[in-house]
Amino acid sequence: ETGVTQTPRHLVMGMTNKKSLKCEQHLGHNAMYWYKQSAKKPLELMFVYNFKEQTENNSVPSRFSPECPNSSHLFLHLHTLQPEDSALYLCASSQETVSYEQYFGPGTRLTVT
Amino acid sequence: EDKVVQSPLSLVVHEGDTVTLNCSYEVTNFRSLLWYKQEKKAPTFLFMLTSSGIEKKSGRLSSILDKKELFSILNITATQTGDSAIYLCAVSGDSGGSNYKLTFGKGTLLTVNP
Repeated sequence: ETGVTQTPRHLVMGMTNKKSLKCEQHLGHNAMYWYKQSAKKPLELMFVYNFKEQTENNSVPSRFSPECPNSSHLFLHLHTLQPEDSALYLCASSQETVSYEQYFGPGTRLTVT
Repeated sequence: EDKVVQSPLSLVVHEGDTVTLNCSYEVTNFRSLLWYKQEKKAPTFLFMLTSSGIEKKSGRLSSILDKKELFSILNITATQTGDSAIYLCAVSGDSGGSNYKLTFGKGTLLTVNP
């Protein structure tokens, strides 16, 4: 069983909706990540948090807004998304730096209509 | 810009076959190379390689890194239908001061038929 959980597992939203994705890790890790996985494309890193501080924003549009209230929880707030934002959104965590393996959650399958 | 190229992109074999998956990379200040297996949703960690020439092994899976030639291979012997998955290769390096960035390849889709 994965130590990283994500909710919801599936989400369908309209372009004018606001929704949030939630990630929780039970591994005692200090770094958490959001990735986007689209069909036929490599996993794309979106955001990195280390000890609750954002250390990486990989040129992500402002319609995606992350929040990390503590080292165990990570949110991705979504608003006015586009159909091309439809993808699998994966959360991951690692002990500290990327020299340690990252553990992934099951992902949220997002469809924007 | 860091780059990871995996080959082949897809592969179909029969149970019992041995397969070799390839991963070549370009990265600034290499730190580690990781292999993941992705079946349905969450990629699961397989190996992390940091030193050249040292084979990592787990059951029927093994992997080795060549830092001089900038590639890694993942071997699976006596394949089973449960090995069917996408195998992802990722590298980390110190580029631009970020210590936390993994760059992934597109993956190899392996299908093992009974």
